Amino acid sequence: AQKITQTQPGMFVQEKEAVTLDCTYDTSDPSYGLFWYKQPSSGEMIFLIYQGSYDQQNATEGRYSLNFQKARKSANLVISASQLGDSAMYFCAMRAPTGANSKLTFGKGITLSVRP
Amino acid sequence: EPEVTQTPSHQVTQMGQEVILRCVPISNHLYFYWYRQILGQKVEFLVSFYNNEISEKSEIFDDQFSVERPDGSNFTLKIRSTKLEDSAMYFCASTSQAGFYEQYFGPGTRLTVT
Repeated sequence: AQKITQTQPGMFVQEKEAVTLDCTYDTSDPSYGLFWYKQPSSGEMIFLIYQGSYDQQNATEGRYSLNFQKARKSANLVISASQLGDSAMYFCAMRAPTGANSKLTFGKGITLSVRP
Repeated sequence: EPEVTQTPSHQVTQMGQEVILRCVPISNHLYFYWYRQILGQKVEFLVSFYNNEISEKSEIFDDQFSVERPDGSNFTLKIRSTKLEDSAMYFCASTSQAGFYEQYFGPGTRLTVT
């Protein structure tokens, strides 16, 4: 079974500064994918970034980067140059092949508040 | 940009009533999912659907739940006899391929059972 752990309490960051949101995972499958989603107060789930377990380089997507440390089973999201619009709930999720189409397993999320 | 749509955005129903939540996945996608999120909690997998049949379902997805793709575009989740604990945000998602591809989420339907 897959497990995602997000234990940080609510995070606060000053506008224009960088912030790291932690995520650790557990799976017995050697092949898996890790995802981060953003959920603003309006409720929708917005895909941010993806990292494959066999990817040699850390994923980057604009201001988002993923600090992937496979041996430690961590996949932390780094947001650079925070903006007020980054205030939201952030979920780490994992897909591991369990069948023809595999589900996402989510962590409980981290609330990020960006201060002006 | 294509997107997943869901209707209604908010549904209020009385305990014991049947509800149908509707989703229109992205048109060329083949794999469909339902997730739910109880207020303030994490997103939980309910069911996945491919080739007109359920691929996987969670413990939450008991006999009160069913899914259907009645035509080439809609994907529905039916709850036969709603309970108070079914109150949650229900998300539909779709993806074009199996494996590690991004799942595109709809905006969600907030279900309130009174």
